[in-house]
Amino acid sequence: GAVVSQHPSRVICKSGTSVKIECRSLDFQATTMFWYRQFPKQSLMLMATSNEGSKATYEQGVEKDKFLINHASLTLSTLTVTSAHPEDSSFYICSARARGRDQPQHFGDGTRLSIL
Amino acid sequence: GEDVEQSLFLSVREGDSSVINCTYTDSSSTYLYWYKQEPGAGLQLLTYIFSNMDMKQDQRLTVLLNKKDKHLSLRIADTQTGDSAIYFCAESIDQAGTALIFGKGTTLSVSS
Repeated sequence: GAVVSQHPSRVICKSGTSVKIECRSLDFQATTMFWYRQFPKQSLMLMATSNEGSKATYEQGVEKDKFLINHASLTLSTLTVTSAHPEDSSFYICSARARGRDQPQHFGDGTRLSIL
Repeated sequence: GEDVEQSLFLSVREGDSSVINCTYTDSSSTYLYWYKQEPGAGLQLLTYIFSNMDMKQDQRLTVLLNKKDKHLSLRIADTQTGDSAIYFCAESIDQAGTALIFGKGTTLSVSS
């Protein structure tokens, strides 16, 4: 149980393109979803937290107009990197958490974004 | 502020036990987690422990928590080559157990 699907797994596109990444909880309802960014050989950096039906909460230093997050349903959150540039190239990972105090975060397999 | 620290590398031989250590600073942590990341993949939840527990065992995995010293360890018994990966320690920093702070990860290398 507790499967999180992230799509696409890899994207290569030109500078200036907007890229949408989807995160789905397949077998549970995710009241909270998280988006992380991971640089090579580094830990995960939390970008934003989104609760279903409300606006995402962004971490300090993360541009909300650059990284648009939509959590429209209890099983789907999307991250759109708008007008992507080479410095946005990174590994983006989502996680999802069901309702309840004892629920851990379950992670997707990540999206490797490469901006040329 | 919150900080989670881990040693960066650990090398063991197949069949030996591996012990990965982690220290954290936030005494109000509610849960502590161990995640495994294989190359190019996301994070797989291995196990987690509530802060009022001292030990949790799950098959080959044993988690020890010393809350006084804010020290967490993960022991992998009979380590296999398939255990080679990066292991992240993480603490939840709010009472609801939502937000996580991760360590930088320990790369475990298992040689046959």
